[in-house]
Amino acid sequence: DVKVTQSSRYLVKRTGEKVFLECVQDMDHENMFWYRQDPGLGLRLIYFSYDVKMKEKGDIPEGYSVSREKKERFSLILESASTNQTSMYLCASSLPGSTDTQYFGPGTRLTVL
Amino acid sequence: AQRVTQPEKLLSVFKGAPVELKCNYSYSGSPELFWYVQYSRQRLQLLLRHISRESIKGFTADLNKGETSFHLKKPFAQEEDSAMYYCALSEGGSEKLVFGKGTKLTVNP
Repeated sequence: DVKVTQSSRYLVKRTGEKVFLECVQDMDHENMFWYRQDPGLGLRLIYFSYDVKMKEKGDIPEGYSVSREKKERFSLILESASTNQTSMYLCASSLPGSTDTQYFGPGTRLTVL
Repeated sequence: AQRVTQPEKLLSVFKGAPVELKCNYSYSGSPELFWYVQYSRQRLQLLLRHISRESIKGFTADLNKGETSFHLKKPFAQEEDSAMYYCALSEGGSEKLVFGKGTKLTVNP
């Protein structure tokens, strides 16, 4: 079974703090993704990585950056957290190929006060 | 403009009734379409993809290119089908997915 894990289930941070969300997958997948999930807005792609050190912006990259130094790990960074970044963050991974299943982590619920 | 539209935010049916969750997409090429499901307190997971033409948990979905739709159907809903359902689109062989806003299905006893 594919396992995608996220470092925290719940996180509370203050405005202006630097926040790191970590995601690890154990199936040697090339692709990794970060989404945010908001009620009424669905899932929106923040960033996508298709290989180590390779990344592409998604639909809503503003205010976020990412890091992929190792194949199994994909980090989402909020350089200066703001209240409008309060959300559920989902990480996913997949093999290359447009028809391949994306496997999701359990999510990190981030609250920025 | 929305590339994937799920017109119903909420859908409520009784156990044993047929259910149809609507999904329309906007893409001029050959799309690849998926349905993902999130049960309460569980992670998001793939339910089915159009290319497989499969039935999972009694659900089916047919791609209708003329109507640009990929509606999810089940003839007899069960209480355990209650969940959040997302339709997703892959454009032009892209490995990225575009998700709809989701439909919350509640199946009442």
